[in-house]
Amino acid sequence: GNSVTQMEGPVTLSEEAFLTINCTYTATGYPSLFWYVQYPGEGLQLLLKATKADDKGSNKGFEATYRKETTSFHLEKGSVQVSDSAVYFCALIAGANNLFFGTGTRLTVIP
Amino acid sequence: EADIYQTPRYLVIGTGKKITLECSQTMGHDKMYWYQQDPGMELHLIHYSYGVNSTEKGDLSSESTVSRIRTEHFPLTLESARPSHTSQYLCASGPWDTSTDTQYFGPGTRLTVL
Repeated sequence: GNSVTQMEGPVTLSEEAFLTINCTYTATGYPSLFWYVQYPGEGLQLLLKATKADDKGSNKGFEATYRKETTSFHLEKGSVQVSDSAVYFCALIAGANNLFFGTGTRLTVIP
Repeated sequence: EADIYQTPRYLVIGTGKKITLECSQTMGHDKMYWYQQDPGMELHLIHYSYGVNSTEKGDLSSESTVSRIRTEHFPLTLESARPSHTSQYLCASGPWDTSTDTQYFGPGTRLTVL
């Protein structure tokens, strides 16, 4: 079946620190992988995506590389800001199925 | 920016009341979804639709019902609200080919049942 396992939070970092949020997946076929972000009081927004192995998705300084050999899609950012404080969800789509989400990781960045 | 709307944004209601949460999108998307988000943040798919007159139950059993009479509209109804229905409800839509594109989410409705 399809599933996403995401690093549990919460994660608290100082401004300008390096961020990694781990995500691994199990899927039938060849999934597309996504990171969504949810800012306080809002719905989810697509942060980045990768649709095939070795693709790198990037947006707003965040990056994630689709690693088929390790079935991973870890989210990274070199220098986080207070405005990055949010909940981050890893997700996948495989075939004609719906999105499968991880449990979410809450990030708090302190000045 | 995605054009998907939810109303109301916040709703506080008494037990036993009937409520309808509205969701509309102007992107012409075939697929629409309702998720329930618990306080622990986890998202649960409760309903989805692949087009007009198509409705399916999601992974999490829900006492709510949905309808899809028009492409742009996907309302969710609770016939008799209970405190256990207190949650955040997120609506989403997406194109038919979701292998390379994705879902767009509304801002959510936070429901509190007293």
